[in-house]
Amino acid sequence: EADIYQTPRYLVIGTGKKITLECSQTMGHDKMYWYQQDPGMELHLIHYSYGVNSTEKGDLSSESTVSRIRTEHFPLTLESARPSHTSQYLCASSEWGQDFYGYTFGSGTRLTVV
Amino acid sequence: TQLLEQSPQFLSIQEGENLTVYCNSSSVFSSLQWYRQEPGEGPVLLVTVVTGGEVKKLKRLTFQFGDARKDSSLHITAAQPGDTGLYLCAGVPGNQFYFGTGTSLTVIP
Repeated sequence: EADIYQTPRYLVIGTGKKITLECSQTMGHDKMYWYQQDPGMELHLIHYSYGVNSTEKGDLSSESTVSRIRTEHFPLTLESARPSHTSQYLCASSEWGQDFYGYTFGSGTRLTVV
Repeated sequence: TQLLEQSPQFLSIQEGENLTVYCNSSSVFSSLQWYRQEPGEGPVLLVTVVTGGEVKKLKRLTFQFGDARKDSSLHITAAQPGDTGLYLCAGVPGNQFYFGTGTSLTVIP
């Protein structure tokens, strides 16, 4: 049973459209992340949040934006989609304390911009 | 330059063979994790190693953390088609989390 949910799973849209990828988690984790991944390739961090009203850009430059108004919700928005945005987008959350317990990932959103 | 280099990048083997994948860094990690990602899904955590020299076993998978905590290996015994996927190491050197470059494994029936 998934504890972190991403919708939609697949999305095909036209160039110039505005889209929002949804991510919600039920574990109460403070830390949430968005990664971009081409098929079978490494993950690139594009945004992260350490709590409500906290958002930061990751290592990979991205034209997307994120918001964190509620602990459980971390949506990603593309104001004007382009074919270069075609990729898989993965949302994750984690719990950090004295030890690091690992990431829990959603199933991803496969975005195709035509 | 990637903080965590994995090798090989791609591996295709026959069912029943053994294999080892490697995760190397020049940095010391407080802990290191291995994930498996099946096509079309998100990565799933397999194991966390925290002590230098530590060995953990998960059925046919054996994970080892290097003595100096700069490297790790994953050994699979008698690979099965269900082992097919992308294997990612990941760790924390300091306060930030890094993923490795990944090893894509295909096990042919």
